[in-house]
This record gives sequence, C-alpha cells and structure tokens, in this order.
Amino acid sequence: AQSVTQPDIHITVSEGASLELRCNYSYGATPYLFWYVQSPGQGLQLLLKYFSGDTLVQGIKGFEAEFKRSQSSFNLRKPSVHWSDAAEYFCAVGRRGTYKYIFGTGTRLKVLA
Amino acid sequence: NAGVTQTPKFQVLKTGQSMTLQCAQDMNHEYMSWYRQDPGMGLRLIHYSVGAGITDQGEVPNGYNVSRSTTEDFPLRLLSAAPSQTSVYFCASSSPGGGETQYFGPGTRLLVL
Repeated sequence: AQSVTQPDIHITVSEGASLELRCNYSYGATPYLFWYVQSPGQGLQLLLKYFSGDTLVQGIKGFEAEFKRSQSSFNLRKPSVHWSDAAEYFCAVGRRGTYKYIFGTGTRLKVLA
Repeated sequence: NAGVTQTPKFQVLKTGQSMTLQCAQDMNHEYMSWYRQDPGMGLRLIHYSVGAGITDQGEVPNGYNVSRSTTEDFPLRLLSAAPSQTSVYFCASSSPGGGETQYFGPGTRLLVL
C-alpha cells in the first residue's frame, strides 16, 4: 500500500541549531516527493520538491532535502533554524500525472529562543 | 493574482444541514482538489478534478459532492452534514506546467453540531 510516514509528531530545537525532519514513503512507482510548510491558521506552502535528477534538492527559506531511494526516505534539513521556522511540516508523495497525492501526518516544529 | 480563495472561512452547521464550500483560483490551473485536515491525520484527499467537467474521487469521498463547470471554480457540497465532517477543508490547484506544485487556499473551518 502507498503511504507516507513522518515518525516525529513534535520536534523542539533551539534557534540556530540544525534541523532534520524525517519522511519515509512506500510507493510502487518512481515517486514525486514534496515538502510543504503550514504556518498556524494558514494554508500549505511548497518548500521543495523532487522529481528526478540530483538527489539533493534546494528549496525556499534555506531548506534542503535528500532523496535516498535505498532507504525510501526524503528527509528535510536546515543548517540553522530561525524562530520564524516554527510551523507544521508535511511530506507528500505522488506519481506524475495522477494528481493524487498522499500526505504524511505532519511534524510540528517548535523553536526555542 | 489572488491565487486560491475559499469561502467561508468558518461555518457552523447542525447535523443534517447541507452547504457548499466555495473555491476559486485565478491561475488558469487545470487541476483542483479538496482535502480535509484532521488532527494527527494529515491531509486526506476528498475529490479532485483534472479539468472542467471532469471529477474523480479521492481517499475520503463519502458525504461530499463536487462539480467543475468552469476552470476557475470547484465547489464542495456537503449533502447532509454529520459531526464526523467537522474539520478544516483546503482547496488546492496546480498545473502540469508548474511541476505539479499545489497552491493551497487559506482553508475553511467547519464545525458540525
């Protein structure tokens, strides 16, 4: 069955510390992978996406993610977290042209000053 | 561009009532979708459309109806509201030319009593 797992429900980091949010997927075909961010009371905004090619992708706000096919993972990273990064982060997977995306349950990030 | 707009922002219904959640986009996107977001469950796809006159079911379609008469609008109808439909509803749009990035509206918070 197709699924996306974000094993960490909550993560707390200090401002300036590095961050890694985990995402594992189970998908039969070559997946499209996405990370979205949701600020409180807002809709979702795309951070970055992977379709093919270079497995390390850069996104907005200083985020990056690495696709590891052997581990079925697409972890999100940021070298130095800012207080404004506090939000909920969603990983999503789909197949090109199907427009049916599966979202993970989200990881809520708290940033300590 | 306004992007994706949703109305109303908040609605309270009684069990058995019907209502329509409105969604509109001004980006000329072919694809539109409706999700519901519940705590601990991420986003789940309700219905989607790949163009005017074409709709299909997502993961949780029961109790909801959609139609797509124009490219811009994609309303979601609750036929007979139930407490289990209390949720936050998001509309999204995307285009193949945009790499299938989904643009989300701000959401409609629905409470069914």
